[in-house]
Amino acid sequence: GAGVSQTPSNKVTEKGKYVELRCDPISGHTALYWYRQSLGQGPEFLIYFQGTGAADDSGLPNDRFFAVRPEGSVSTLKIQRTERGDSAVYLCASSPVERGVPGELFFGEGSRLTVL
Amino acid sequence: ELKVEQNPLFLSMQEGKNYTIYCNYSTTSDRLYWYRQDPGKSLESLFVLLSNGAVKQEGRLMASLDTKARLSTLHITAAVHDLSATYFCAVDTSIGSSNTGKLIFGQGTTLQVKP
Repeated sequence: GAGVSQTPSNKVTEKGKYVELRCDPISGHTALYWYRQSLGQGPEFLIYFQGTGAADDSGLPNDRFFAVRPEGSVSTLKIQRTERGDSAVYLCASSPVERGVPGELFFGEGSRLTVL
Repeated sequence: ELKVEQNPLFLSMQEGKNYTIYCNYSTTSDRLYWYRQDPGKSLESLFVLLSNGAVKQEGRLMASLDTKARLSTLHITAAVHDLSATYFCAVDTSIGSSNTGKLIFGQGTTLQVKP
């Protein structure tokens, strides 16, 4: 498809386990973002990639969270030693960049993570 | 720290009525977005407002931006049931050529339009 693709759409795991969430951005979009949305709240910024590098990771809540984008396209958000408070919908967005400035963000459907 | 506050958080209205959702933000920004989210779905971009005094309209929705007052409004005209959804405003925290596209979202306004 032409949109931002996220897998899995749903993930149920047990407290303490490791999870990976994948994002496949729109082709040609060099900017990629991860957001987290808790029930009844607006999305919260986690991390922003420009190409392969994390240009801003100030939203990652602690060192259990890590994200990579090794080839400047697909990104993986990794969560170690999951806690119940990590339960949320993790949204990925991508954006075209013109003259160094990101444009409008296009969001994926999200990965719903439930930690039991 | 940038804060974005929406008002009201929940709105129940009859079809055919008009109403306005307000979005206040606490620091300077030159980009503001409005998104729509249906239950269990992702965010759909409605409007991008880039300058003071900007006004955009699409169907029954009209958005405006006052950067001096740090206020944006989303006005609904003659509401219909299909407009029932949650609406978010989001403010770009970067300014000028250093725009990173990093957005701070409001809490969302859940709109329920009754037939």
